[in-house]
Amino acid sequence: EAGVTQSPTHLIKTRGQQATLRCSPISGHTSVYWYQQALGLGLQFLLWYDEGEERNRGNFPPRFSGRQFPNYSSELNVNALELEDSALYLCASSKDRYEKLFFGSGTQLSVL
Amino acid sequence: AQKITQTQPGMFVQEKEAVTLDCTYDTSDQSYGLFWYKQPSSGEMIFLIYQGSYDEQNATEGRYSLNFQKARKSTNLVISASQLGDSAMYFCKDGNQFYFGTGTSLTVIP
Repeated sequence: EAGVTQSPTHLIKTRGQQATLRCSPISGHTSVYWYQQALGLGLQFLLWYDEGEERNRGNFPPRFSGRQFPNYSSELNVNALELEDSALYLCASSKDRYEKLFFGSGTQLSVL
Repeated sequence: AQKITQTQPGMFVQEKEAVTLDCTYDTSDQSYGLFWYKQPSSGEMIFLIYQGSYDEQNATEGRYSLNFQKARKSTNLVISASQLGDSAMYFCKDGNQFYFGTGTSLTVIP
């Protein structure tokens, strides 16, 4: 069974640009979560999608947005990139919000 | 608001010894769960073990076990017979919300 897959592995952008990160959950999982992990720090909750809808978001500005597609894959968009957006972005999926999360390998976003 | 606290930023343990990593959960919920994850230097998060507040027994998974103290709302992770591959970041996460603790960096010394 395929795990959670994220693409791209690395992404380099300049300040002010937009970044799009993609995530495919484990088959049968309807919930997708996005986390930001800056270097040497913990995981900050960004967004939770379930059944195609945004269900909850963390304390991030509106330029962080995303969506979930009918096949439950998800996209995270970061607009007007700032230097401090440089981080590892982790996607996770689960069958429901109370179950354990399965994580992808992450997208390392570098903003120059 | 619920809050997950890990008070040990870094820990060292001798290979083959046991180590305990702390996690407490500030919540008014009577029913809750706590997850533990491991993050090696590769970056991927790996689920280790889970404890529910109404579980009668402390959870155990191989060399990982949890010391659940309900009154303190703490769920400490015990790793027995530490191995070099256990060197990693360890995070606990509340089961009712989406938040992780700040993590503990564990280094196993040969």
